[in-house]
Amino acid sequence: ETGVTQTPRHLVMGMTNKKSLKCEQHLGHNAMYWYKQSAKKPLELMFVYNFKEQTENNSVPSRFSPECPNSSHLFLHLHTLQPEDSALYLCASSPGQVRSTNEKLFFGSGTQLSVL
Amino acid sequence: DAKTTQPPSMDCAEGRAANLPCNHSTISGNEYVYWYRQIHSQGPQYIIHGLKNNETNEMASLIITEDRKSSTLILPHATLRDTAVYYCIVRVWRNFGNEKLTFGTGTRLTIIP
Repeated sequence: ETGVTQTPRHLVMGMTNKKSLKCEQHLGHNAMYWYKQSAKKPLELMFVYNFKEQTENNSVPSRFSPECPNSSHLFLHLHTLQPEDSALYLCASSPGQVRSTNEKLFFGSGTQLSVL
Repeated sequence: DAKTTQPPSMDCAEGRAANLPCNHSTISGNEYVYWYRQIHSQGPQYIIHGLKNNETNEMASLIITEDRKSSTLILPHATLRDTAVYYCIVRVWRNFGNEKLTFGTGTRLTIIP
């Protein structure tokens, strides 16, 4: 148990559906992240939030829309996805402390998404 | 951040020490070496990190060469549960904590019974 919980664990959706992925962290961290991991590919950073403010958008298509209502919750809203968007979507958090040399990422177990 | 090179796969007998190498020949003075691992269908898990001194924790030991161009992660007594992909990542320490790690393809370690 890492303290980062993602729901759902599995999701199957059609290309016209709208769905949301949820991430919650119980670690008191200030930074939260979305990563995408396609089959047999390295993890790709998608979005970074610090203190609820988006600080990184790694050229992610607009059909992926993140939302961070507070430092403990992170959502990824999905709309009109393509089959190539099928992947494991991982949420992570880190303390986000100023001048810290001990920043570590804590990952959730991910949502395995299949787009049909 | 500096690039790392790792062997794509390794095997290790259960109960033996697993030594995972990483080459980071372009590392600069303010870059840390981090190790994470990812067990199948789970999120990556932090293992250990260091700057220039050797480090040890309850999971593993990290040996960094004196010139810092390479390092070795050591799992002292490998178990079947250590079968995973191991990522070596080099990262600059930033003034504000914001962990934008770049994961490569890592080393797939298989522990053999």
